[in-house]
Amino acid sequence: AQSVTQLGSHVSVSEGALVLLRCNYSSSVPPYLFWYVQYPNQGLQLLLKYTSAATLVKGINGFEAEFKKSETSFHLTKPSAHMSDAAEYFCAVSGSSNTGKLIFGQGTTLQVKP
Amino acid sequence: GAGVSQSPSNKVTEKGKDVELRCDPISGHTALYWYRQSLGQGLEFLIYFQGNSAPDKSGLPSDRFSAERTGGSVSTLTIQRTQQEDSAVYLCASSFLAGMAGELFFGEGSRLTVL
Repeated sequence: AQSVTQLGSHVSVSEGALVLLRCNYSSSVPPYLFWYVQYPNQGLQLLLKYTSAATLVKGINGFEAEFKKSETSFHLTKPSAHMSDAAEYFCAVSGSSNTGKLIFGQGTTLQVKP
Repeated sequence: GAGVSQSPSNKVTEKGKDVELRCDPISGHTALYWYRQSLGQGLEFLIYFQGNSAPDKSGLPSDRFSAERTGGSVSTLTIQRTQQEDSAVYLCASSFLAGMAGELFFGEGSRLTVL
């Protein structure tokens, strides 16, 4: 079975500070990993995905994530937070059934303080 | 349409009533997924369609929940005899091809409140 754990349901940073959102996964097969963002009252939007190519993945809005197999992690980072980054972030792993079904973590709400 | 469209955006119903939620996926997307987003529960997978068939219904929480898809396009999620614990945002997503690397495109969801 596959699963995702996001450490910290709420993260608060100051504008301009580093953003680090943690994600650890469990998978019996080589995983495909995703980060999605959900702005208030909107659907989920793909930020970036890891599909076994480069381990450092760059996404939209200056976000990136690094796949570390030894640590079973896929943490999301951004060097400098912007007020517009305030949202809920979800890490997900693609299910082993090859249906494209995603298993999501519980989400992390990012607050950016001025 | 340009994106995944869901209706209604908000639905308030009384306990025991039936509700239908509709999803219109992106044109040409063969895979369609329903998820449920509850406070404190994250996103729970409900059901997956490939074309009109549903090879994975493993997330449907009870037999009060059912879904169908017609013409390889629009899908309807039906909840019979609604209960208060059914209150949640129901999200639909579609993908061009089912596969482990495919990107899911999500609608804005249907917020269901059961009184």
